[in-house]
Amino acid sequence: DAGVTQSPTHLIKTRGQQVTLRCSPKSGHDTVSWYQQALGQGPQFIFQYYEEEERQRGNFPDRFSGHQFPNYSSELNVNALLLGDSALYLCASSLAQGTIYFGEGSWLTVV
Amino acid sequence: DAKTTQPPSMDCAEGRAANLPCNHSTISGNEYVYWYRQIHSQGPQYIIHGLKNNETNEMASLIITEDRKSSTLILPHATLRDTAVYYCIVRTENTGFQKLVFGTGTRLLVSP
Repeated sequence: DAGVTQSPTHLIKTRGQQVTLRCSPKSGHDTVSWYQQALGQGPQFIFQYYEEEERQRGNFPDRFSGHQFPNYSSELNVNALLLGDSALYLCASSLAQGTIYFGEGSWLTVV
Repeated sequence: DAKTTQPPSMDCAEGRAANLPCNHSTISGNEYVYWYRQIHSQGPQYIIHGLKNNETNEMASLIITEDRKSSTLILPHATLRDTAVYYCIVRTENTGFQKLVFGTGTRLLVSP
């Protein structure tokens, strides 16, 4: 049973560029959330998707957007990258209100 | 803001029990206590969760006080691979939506 999978695992982007991160939820899960974890900090909630709609959003600017597909997989897009966007981006999935499981994350470095 | 308070760091000798405390004095009656750990550069790993009864699984035991204002995660026989940051989280729900609010966690160092 595959867990939450994310791609790419590492990437480097230049300021001002755009990035897309991808996530496949754990088998049987229908809800996907994204978190940002800066170095030395705990993960911070970005937003959650269910039934292809954004249900809740944390305190992140509109440069952060997402999408959920009919197969429940999800993408996180970040536009106009800033140096401060450098972080570990975590995808998490659950079945409705069940236990939340995390992927290994995508390390983004903005230079 | 996180609804939990944890010591920033703890040490434990290999083979001994590691007891990680967590305070959550403002927890609501229908909120669960979840524990995750994060080994360096990896995603958070689910450990255990509970509402008011003590819980045990293959990884750990969770002891929740009767008033639910605090809990303790117990790793019965700590190994070097248990060195990680441990997060105690009160799960927040709102009209069917849930998210996890992470605090700063406890950095557990298991030494030989």
